[in-house]
Amino acid sequence: NAGVMQNPRHLVRRRGQEARLRCSPMKGHSHVYWYRQLPEEGLKFMVYLQKENIIDESGMPKERFSAEFPKEGPSILRIQQVVRGDSAAYFCASSPRGPGQGTEQYFGPGTRLTVT
Amino acid sequence: SQQGEEDPQALSIQEGENATMNCSYKTSINNLQWYRQNSGRGLVHLILIRSNEREKHSGRLRVTLDTSKKSSSLLITASRAADTASYFCATEGSYIPTFGRGTSLIVHP
Repeated sequence: NAGVMQNPRHLVRRRGQEARLRCSPMKGHSHVYWYRQLPEEGLKFMVYLQKENIIDESGMPKERFSAEFPKEGPSILRIQQVVRGDSAAYFCASSPRGPGQGTEQYFGPGTRLTVT
Repeated sequence: SQQGEEDPQALSIQEGENATMNCSYKTSINNLQWYRQNSGRGLVHLILIRSNEREKHSGRLRVTLDTSKKSSSLLITASRAADTASYFCATEGSYIPTFGRGTSLIVHP
């Protein structure tokens, strides 16, 4: 039973380019969360999705960032026109149940985005 | 803020010693979870304690929860060099679990 998979593990983009980060949740998990982590800091919640629906995107910047979790395929976090401040580690987590139910989150290894 | 805050920010101990980390939060919670993150890796779930529990054990880990003080502690007994990592608490109410900045633990062999 494979864990949460994220790819790519490392991504380098020039300012103004687009970054697409992929997350395949654990088998049977329909809840996906994206977090951003800056060096020496904790995880900042970005968006919570359940199959085909965005449930909570309160932590995601309104502009340039978008997320999806289609019926088939991985969840995608998309950052358009990247800027240096977008450089960070982006983690995806999945769970079999939604928040508020004491459900353990299973984290992927993260994608480290570097904007040059 | 719903976010838990860990204390201390950094902790350096010798192998065999005990390590204690604390987490404080501000709003009511349903449960509190502790995670570990090794350098360059994702978070790994360690233990969950519900709001109606006061103490929980898992191997060398002992977690306490005091809802009246809105605080939790994680104790790692007989630490090992392999315990070197960052430790995060995540508070969960009816909202998305939120993480603190973590405690960076270094265990010297």
